[in-house]
Amino acid sequence: EIVLTQSPDFQSVTPKEKVTITCRASQSIGSSLHWYQQKPDQSQKLLIKYASQSFSGVPSRFSGSGSGTDFTLTINSLEAEDAATYYCHQSSRLPHTFGQGTKLEIK
Amino acid sequence: EVQLVQSGAEVKKPGESLKISCKGSGYSFTNYWIGWVRQMPGKGLEWMGIIYPGDSDTRYSPSFQGQGQVTISADNSISTAYLQWSSLKASDTAMYYCARHEEGDQFDYWGQGTLVTVSS
Repeated sequence: EIVLTQSPDFQSVTPKEKVTITCRASQSIGSSLHWYQQKPDQSQKLLIKYASQSFSGVPSRFSGSGSGTDFTLTINSLEAEDAATYYCHQSSRLPHTFGQGTKLEIK
Repeated sequence: EVQLVQSGAEVKKPGESLKISCKGSGYSFTNYWIGWVRQMPGKGLEWMGIIYPGDSDTRYSPSFQGQGQVTISADNSISTAYLQWSSLKASDTAMYYCARHEEGDQFDYWGQGTLVTVSS
C-alpha cells in the first residue's frame, strides 16, 4: 500500500498569506495525485486533479504541482473561507490511499 | 447537475446488520466508478472500495475486505450504490461518504455523508 505523508499537520495563517502544503508518496505515483478540501461538517470538494489540473469552478488561487513522489498544493492570497482540512489522494495503485490531512486555521 | 444523495443517519447495536445507500443523478450511473470512504470521528479519510455499476466489478481495500467486513453493491435500475455490513461493531462508528470516481482516478463529486453510530 502506498503511504502519503502530508506536512504540516496543522498551520495557523493570516488572510492574504501564501500557503504551501506538501504530500510525499512512499513510492513513485507519476501524476496520479489529487487534492481535496473539507470544511467543518461538510463533505469533500475536489480542488486539483492529476497533480496540477484545476477542477471546474475552483478559485484560481488554488494550484498544484509535482510528480513522482513529491507534490505541493499552493493557496495564493489566502481567504477566510479557506479554513479547512486539505487531503491528498493517490490513484496510481490499488488500494487508493489518502494523506492524513492538513488543517488550516485562519488567524 | 451531478448529485450523489446518501441515506440518513443510522444508530445500531453491535451485531446488527446495515445497508446504506447512495443515489446518483445527473449523469450516466453505469459509466462511472462509485467509491466509499470512511471518516472515523476526528480522523482522516480512508478509501474502502469501489464498484463499477456497468459490470459490477468491485475492488476493496485489504483493510475492509474479508469476513465480517463490508460489501459494496449497486442497483442500476435505480442508480443507487450500497455499502453494507452483516455484523456491526462499535469500531464501525464513523461518517461514510460515497463519491463518483472519474476514470477510476479522482473523486469529482461527493455525497453528503451518512453517519453510522454503533453502540450498545
